[in-house]
Amino acid sequence: DAGVIQSPRHEVTEMGQEVTLRCKPISGHDYLFWYRQTMMRGLELLIYFNNNVPIDDSGMPEDRFSAKMPNASFSTLKIQPSEPRDSAVYFCASSLGVLAGAPFFGPGTRLLVL
Amino acid sequence: DQQVKQNSPSLSVQEGRISILNCDYTNSMFDYFLWYKKYPAEGPTFLISISSIKDKNEDGRFTVFLNKSAKHLSLHIVPSQPGDSAVYFCAANLGNEKLTFGTGTRLTIIP
Repeated sequence: DAGVIQSPRHEVTEMGQEVTLRCKPISGHDYLFWYRQTMMRGLELLIYFNNNVPIDDSGMPEDRFSAKMPNASFSTLKIQPSEPRDSAVYFCASSLGVLAGAPFFGPGTRLLVL
Repeated sequence: DQQVKQNSPSLSVQEGRISILNCDYTNSMFDYFLWYKKYPAEGPTFLISISSIKDKNEDGRFTVFLNKSAKHLSLHIVPSQPGDSAVYFCAANLGNEKLTFGTGTRLTIIP
């Protein structure tokens, strides 16, 4: 298996622009997570899905952030409009459930908003 | 409010010696703990875990210790190798799928 796939790996955009991050989880995994890593706060859970349904989005910072999972093999995290404070590394992870094994992380998308 | 804390942002250890990474938590309801390792430009990779019903779990050179009364866990790496140089994150779980991570400790192994 190729592991969790994220695209793009790097994104540089200007403030106010829409940003879409993409994730393909490991086949067969029914949990998908979006995390954000910053120096100050470490790894924060933004949202997670189970069987394509959002379960907990309490970590989504504000309405500018939205996430979808239209099918079992694809998810997006969208920021509209983007702001400089959104600059961070965004990770997608997938799992069979923590009791069955720890989540596998993708390589991340490094986002820079100018 | 940081429920999982890694108070040492960095640690340097001589190759062959023991590396001890520490993690403290505030929520006594956490019942499952994990350690992840992260290399630059890669995602975190799972290293080792421990359930709250145990106080020790060992996997090769890696051992995790849990002290529930002190709300403290530690990761021991013996012997330390240059390839162990990475950022280490501890994480805790409340019995659901939400992992709460610490801010990480950068471990540097000195040859």
